[in-house]
Amino acid sequence: GAVVSQHPSRVICKSGTSVKIECRSLDFQATTMFWYRQFPKQSLMLMATSNEGSKATYEQGVEKDKFLINHASLTLSTLTVTSAHPEDSSFYICSARETQGTGEAFFGQGTRLTVV
Amino acid sequence: GEDVEQSLFLSVREGDSSVINCTYTDSSSTYLYWYKQEPGAGLQLLTYIFSNMDMKQDQRLTVLLNKKDKHLSLRIADTQTGDSAIYFCAETLFSGNTPLVFGKGTRLSVIA
Repeated sequence: GAVVSQHPSRVICKSGTSVKIECRSLDFQATTMFWYRQFPKQSLMLMATSNEGSKATYEQGVEKDKFLINHASLTLSTLTVTSAHPEDSSFYICSARETQGTGEAFFGQGTRLTVV
Repeated sequence: GEDVEQSLFLSVREGDSSVINCTYTDSSSTYLYWYKQEPGAGLQLLTYIFSNMDMKQDQRLTVLLNKKDKHLSLRIADTQTGDSAIYFCAETLFSGNTPLVFGKGTRLSVIA
C-alpha cells in the first residue's frame, strides 16, 4: 500500500533554533498533505493543510510564522518550526490522502521534537 | 463543527473480546477509520469502513457502523497483550483534500 515517509523521527534542538521536518509520499502523488500535532496522552490536533503550489491553510490558533509549511512538489511537504521554544516540544505527524481510489489517509511515522 | 467522541479507557482480560465505541456528529462523513498507536510510535491504520456499509470484518477485527445513530464500534476478538495501545476513531469526507477528524483515543489495557 501507499507509504508516507516522515523524517526525522526524533530531533532535539536548542531554544531559538529552527527545525525542519519532511513528509514524503513515496508511491503516490499528494496534492494535499496535513500536519498534526499530538500532545502527550492527547489526540491529534490538525495544525494546517498543506497545498501543493500554494499557501498552506492554518487552523485557528496556529501561528503561520512559527510553523512554516512548504509544499513544493506533489510528493514533499515540509514543516519548519522556527525559533523553537520548549513549549513547541511535541509529536508532529504528517498525513496524505490518495486523491484517487479509496481516498485512504496514510500517516508518517511521526517526529518527536524536544526543545531544550 | 465536526466532533468525534470516544471513551478514554478500556480494560479487558487476555482472550476476551474488546469493544471500543465511537460517536461522530457529521452525518456527511464518508470514511470512518480506526487507528492504533503504540507508545512513542506513529499511527497504524487498522481498518476503515465506508459510510454505505454496516459491517466490515478483517480477521480478529469487526467494525460495526450504525449510521442512523452515528455510532461506530471496533471489536477485537481474542484480545492479546500486544493489543494494548491507544485506539483512535476518525472520520472524514470522500474528498482527498479534507483532513481526518480524530477522537481523543481509547487506551486499551489488556490484563494477562
